[in-house]
Amino acid sequence: AQSVTQLGSHVSVSEGALVLLRCNYSSSVPPYLFWYVQYPNQGLQLLLKYTTGATLVKGINGFEAEFKKSETSFHLTKPSAHMSDAAEYFCAVSDLGNTDKLIFGTGTRLQVFP
Amino acid sequence: KAGVTQTPRYLIKTRGQQVTLSCSPISGHRSVSWYQQTPGQGLQFLFEYFSETQRNKGNFPGRFSGRQFSNSRSEMNVSTLELGDSALYLCASSLGDGTEQYFGPGTRLTVT
Repeated sequence: AQSVTQLGSHVSVSEGALVLLRCNYSSSVPPYLFWYVQYPNQGLQLLLKYTTGATLVKGINGFEAEFKKSETSFHLTKPSAHMSDAAEYFCAVSDLGNTDKLIFGTGTRLQVFP
Repeated sequence: KAGVTQTPRYLIKTRGQQVTLSCSPISGHRSVSWYQQTPGQGLQFLFEYFSETQRNKGNFPGRFSGRQFSNSRSEMNVSTLELGDSALYLCASSLGDGTEQYFGPGTRLTVT
């Protein structure tokens, strides 16, 4: 079975600093990978996804992630944090053979300090 | 294009009762998936419906059930509610090809 590990349940950065949220997955075949963001009392919003092709994917709000097969990682980065980035971030992998079933990591809460 | 809508947004029920939650997908989307979000267990997949057929099912007891109508709208039902069923229930819609799901705002269920 596939799984997702997000290292660090809480990450704090200063406004303007680099944001790095870590995600590792386990899969015997190339998966589809996703990052979602959740603001308080809201649903999930897709930040970016990797399905096939280019391993560096760019998403909304200046976020990007790189699929590294050798490291089974899909870390999320943003060069300069903004106060509005404070939210919870979830990494997810699709359960291959089952199209829309997503396996989520436990989430990382990002705090941004002025 | 209207997003995914879920009704009701908030619900309070008593143990032993049953509840039905509704989800209207984005126009043109044929797949609807349901997820449960709790502080302890995180985000867990409940089931997916595609063209009125259940295509995938998560590891939840039979008290959790769902269905999809011909217009792709979906409902999920929980019978004999338990305190542990208190959660945010999220619905997501997609074209059904696994590449992108759009989530609704969720229904917050509280069981007392």
